[in-house]
Amino acid sequence: EAGVTQFPSHSVIEKGQTVTLRCDPISGHDNLYWYRRVMGKEIKFLLHFVKESKQDESGMPNNRFLAERTGGTYSTLKVQPAELEDSGVYFCASSQDYGHRTTGYTFGSGTRLTVV
Amino acid sequence: AQKITQTQPGMFVQEKEAVTLDCTYDTSDPSYGLFWYKQPSSGEMIFLIYQGSYDQQNATEGRYSLNFQKARKSANLVISASQLGDSAMYFCAMREGGALTGGGNKLTFGTGTQLKVEL
Repeated sequence: EAGVTQFPSHSVIEKGQTVTLRCDPISGHDNLYWYRRVMGKEIKFLLHFVKESKQDESGMPNNRFLAERTGGTYSTLKVQPAELEDSGVYFCASSQDYGHRTTGYTFGSGTRLTVV
Repeated sequence: AQKITQTQPGMFVQEKEAVTLDCTYDTSDPSYGLFWYKQPSSGEMIFLIYQGSYDQQNATEGRYSLNFQKARKSANLVISASQLGDSAMYFCAMREGGALTGGGNKLTFGTGTQLKVEL
């Protein structure tokens, strides 16, 4: 089966611009998660979708970040307007249930966002 | 307070030797899961091994084993017979709450350990 796909793999934008990241989870996975790793720090949770509903968005840093998952399939994460501190690697993960023990959460390869 | 602590920012090991990557965790939830992920230079996050808080035995997956010491709240990853391809960043992560009861289901990660396997 295809894994979790994220694009773009890299994005360089200027401060104040808008960027939209996309994640295609594994087909049939109801749970979709966004995480972010800022340089040198731990990977931090942003939000969790169950199908098209936001289950937990406690990790979203501020209202410049907007995540959607229309139709419960792919998800987008929009940053508008981007700030320098938004630079980092944004990971998407999906799971069929609440993190099955034999497969864990399947992660994508991430989008490296650089705001200049 | 850090929920997941990885105290080794970098580790070196010789090929064919075993290496232990440390991970301690902090939670008051009696039900939790512990995960290890590998991130090679290509960027993808690869699931390695899982340990549930109620599991009686330490988890093993091929050359990976998890030294789970519940009373000490540690979940160290042991890689046996290291290979050059094991060179990567390794992350320890925790999910609080049971697999079926939710508890948010988000993972809390440590800062990672960069492992370098040498000839």
